[in-house]
Amino acid sequence: ELKVEQNPLFLSMQEGKNYTIYCNYSTTSDRLYWYRQDPGKSLESLFVLLSNGAVKQEGRLMASLDTKARLSTLHITAAVHDLSATYFCAVDMLQGGSEKLVFGKGTKLTVNP
Amino acid sequence: ETGVTQSPTHLIKTRGQQVTLRCSSQSGHNTVSWYQQALGQGPQFIFQYYREEENGRGNFPPRFSGLQFPNYSSELNVNALELDDSALYLCASSLEGRDPLEQYFGPGTRLTVT
Repeated sequence: ELKVEQNPLFLSMQEGKNYTIYCNYSTTSDRLYWYRQDPGKSLESLFVLLSNGAVKQEGRLMASLDTKARLSTLHITAAVHDLSATYFCAVDMLQGGSEKLVFGKGTKLTVNP
Repeated sequence: ETGVTQSPTHLIKTRGQQVTLRCSSQSGHNTVSWYQQALGQGPQFIFQYYREEENGRGNFPPRFSGLQFPNYSSELNVNALELDDSALYLCASSLEGRDPLEQYFGPGTRLTVT
């Protein structure tokens, strides 16, 4: 069974600082997704990483994928308060003819002034 | 906005009751997946429908069932509600065969079972 683990689960950081969220998964996959969720809201797609070594950047967020290590990272540069949210990574897998996403538990990020 | 809508937004039910949640997919999308997100957890796959048939199921009991209609809107039905069914229910629409998988999530229905 595919397992997706994120760490840390909770992250409190000051504005202007850098930090990295890690996402490990247990079986081979070359599709890794990052989502953002604000309290009480749905999931907003941030990045889709499609191959080993893939790197994508949007604003202060940069995601990378190492399929050999089964590891993805989400790096936050010079954090601002607006980045406060819960971030999920997900891996897709085929099960019984359907393609589904398997999510980590999420990393709740709080950026303090 | 993803173009995926869900109703109702919030719902309170009593243990043992039945509930129906609705989802309207993004235009042109023929596949809908349902996820359950308990408080403080990541979403968990319930099942997927493609062309009005169940196309895969996660680790959920048969009292969770669904329907997909010809216009690709869908329903999630839960019978004999239990307290642990309290969660945010998300539907996600996608296009079968699209690579990579792009699932567009709706805003969710918050179900509280008392």
